[in-house]
Amino acid sequence: SYELTQPLSVSVALGQTATITCGGSNIGSKNVHWYQQKPGQAPVVVIYGDGNRPSGIPGRFSGSDSGNTATLTVSRVQVGDEADYYCQVWDSDTGGVFGGGTKLTVL
Amino acid sequence: QLQLQESGPGLVKPSETLSLTCTVSGGSISSSNYYWDWIRQPPGKGLEWIGSIYYSGTTYSNPSLRSRLTISVDTSRNQFSLRLSSVTAADASVYYCARQRGSNGPLDYWGQGTLVTVSS
Repeated sequence: SYELTQPLSVSVALGQTATITCGGSNIGSKNVHWYQQKPGQAPVVVIYGDGNRPSGIPGRFSGSDSGNTATLTVSRVQVGDEADYYCQVWDSDTGGVFGGGTKLTVL
Repeated sequence: QLQLQESGPGLVKPSETLSLTCTVSGGSISSSNYYWDWIRQPPGKGLEWIGSIYYSGTTYSNPSLRSRLTISVDTSRNQFSLRLSSVTAADASVYYCARQRGSNGPLDYWGQGTLVTVSS
């Protein structure tokens, strides 16, 4: 079955750039989606496909993927960006696959 | 604005069947190129995709749950449903329904989630 690997946690100073990785076999050939989940809330998509942002998501959020790694970048991090972030792809055998999630902490 | 709302019992006994319904408002469940998904999240843990259905009735499911899972759609009521049989404590989770945009697209609208506890 297809698996996605994320770091458990990432910490970044206020105003700096946070980078969250998502590892998977040949993930660069797949559409990667990123979700932000705050405590007690449903996830919200922040990046979909090849780095596209839904309306309402700040331009500080960007995504890329190549080879075996996808990356979510959050520039000029704000306190409000503290959340859990999940990567997700669709696999022909497994169906929907989520990474284990990364907790972003703003210092 | 599209809205999804989960409903169903919050408490299920071990070995019984968990049944949830997702009601879609503000849009048609029969719209082409959209799939309708179930996702769950055990308390304090990550997201797990359960399965999805197209308005035509075609279903897709997580291989680990396939033998216990039934997903159905009622286009006349703009609803889709989940049934998971023979539940155990491991099935206790917040269950979300969501809309999937395209076969490889994002889950772009989510319900608020409903907590299901498994206990006798």
